[in-house]
Amino acid sequence: DAGITQSPRHKVTETGTPVTLRCHQTENHRYMYWYRQDPGHGLRLIHYSYGVKDTDKGEVSDGYSVSRSKTEDFLLTLESATSSQTSVYFCAIRDPLGDTEAFFGQGTRLTVV
Amino acid sequence: RKEVEQDPGPFNVPEGATVAFNCTYSNSASQSFFWYRQDCRKEPKLLMSVYSSGNEDGRFTAQLNRASQYISLLIRDSKLSDSATYLCVVNMNDYKLSFGAGTTVTVRA
Repeated sequence: DAGITQSPRHKVTETGTPVTLRCHQTENHRYMYWYRQDPGHGLRLIHYSYGVKDTDKGEVSDGYSVSRSKTEDFLLTLESATSSQTSVYFCAIRDPLGDTEAFFGQGTRLTVV
Repeated sequence: RKEVEQDPGPFNVPEGATVAFNCTYSNSASQSFFWYRQDCRKEPKLLMSVYSSGNEDGRFTAQLNRASQYISLLIRDSKLSDSATYLCVVNMNDYKLSFGAGTTVTVRA
């Protein structure tokens, strides 16, 4: 299995509080992604990173920010959590060389009450 | 129009049956294609890549039709352990992977 871990695995938080999710990899892959998965929508890209300090928005980036200060860590922050951000969040990593697949972390189940 | 669309199913089949389903994609410039498997409340995992000439991995066969912009997955001799959601994944450009919403397959004894 690819070396990718997410923390925390589960979190319940209150509306309006900030939340940070962490993704850590040991594969030295350049690309890292944050997705959310909701019933009927599949996986939707929130933000991605193509290198240290290089990030860009995905299709559902409103209300989220990211940071990547070193290759192995990609942080996702909800500045002020809302109930609509209750979801399962997956981090993924990918080596851009060749048509390679993405490897996923185990997911973080976030509930905003 | 969604970038990647799949029949959500569910496909409910008996053990030993063959089941097949498709996925369509909108971007004709898409570069590479994958099928992932996702078990309930778990992360997606690669099932197989899809090559232009079609490819087979044991009981699983994937096909790509670039002219009609779809890929397919066929599962032969279904096992109970094949019950899962199958995600179609398309590499739209250098960084972007687009996911279908998934096709649910349930294999019954």
